[in-house]
Amino acid sequence: EPEVTQTPSHQVTQMGQEVILRCVPISNHLYFYWYRQILGQKVEFLVSFYNNEISEKSEIFDDQFSVERPDGSNFTLKIRSTKLEDSAMYFCASSVRQRGNTIYFGEGSWLTVV
Amino acid sequence: GDSVTQMEGPVTLSEEAFLTINCTYTATGYPSLFWYVQYPGEGLQLLLKATKADDKGSNKGFEATYRKETTSFHLEKGSVQVSDSAVYFCALSDLGGSQGNLIFGKGTKLSVKP
Repeated sequence: EPEVTQTPSHQVTQMGQEVILRCVPISNHLYFYWYRQILGQKVEFLVSFYNNEISEKSEIFDDQFSVERPDGSNFTLKIRSTKLEDSAMYFCASSVRQRGNTIYFGEGSWLTVV
Repeated sequence: GDSVTQMEGPVTLSEEAFLTINCTYTATGYPSLFWYVQYPGEGLQLLLKATKADDKGSNKGFEATYRKETTSFHLEKGSVQVSDSAVYFCALSDLGGSQGNLIFGKGTKLSVKP
């Protein structure tokens, strides 16, 4: 069964450093997403991406964050100048359509900022 | 705005007990409703979904019925197993609103004892 894959599974970084989290969405999907789950808290939407541009973003997704689809398969989340509170599990997800369609998640990238 | 409210956990049950995890929602449009499961150390997996009122989603012995009149989507299983121990998230995707992304509840941790 096709799946969303994410790398790395776990990354430890020093405060102030830049981090790039990578994702390979399911191949025939057109919409891509990043979600975040801080330990013990709710899964939160960060951003959705379609046709090489951001279609929606939450208030969490400020100038510190950016997304990119650098080639035909990868979808990346860049976090500039990381802060301690950026420590979280970051989930990539994809769907065929945006509205009401099943969103499939990867296994997550656990980011620890020290 | 749209929101999902789940019963607080953790929930601890003995094997073969009956499970109910309550979920209610508020939405401006016509949401699709989902249950996702997160097993220890893993990512989010879609458990079941329902896209319109009175639909019943089912998978792996779990069921949930979309009740528009009570704005609810309670998760049930007749006989839980130790392997069902996980965190369960109720979520919605609003067709009528501007968001195609998922809005999650806080999650309910289920522990099943042998």
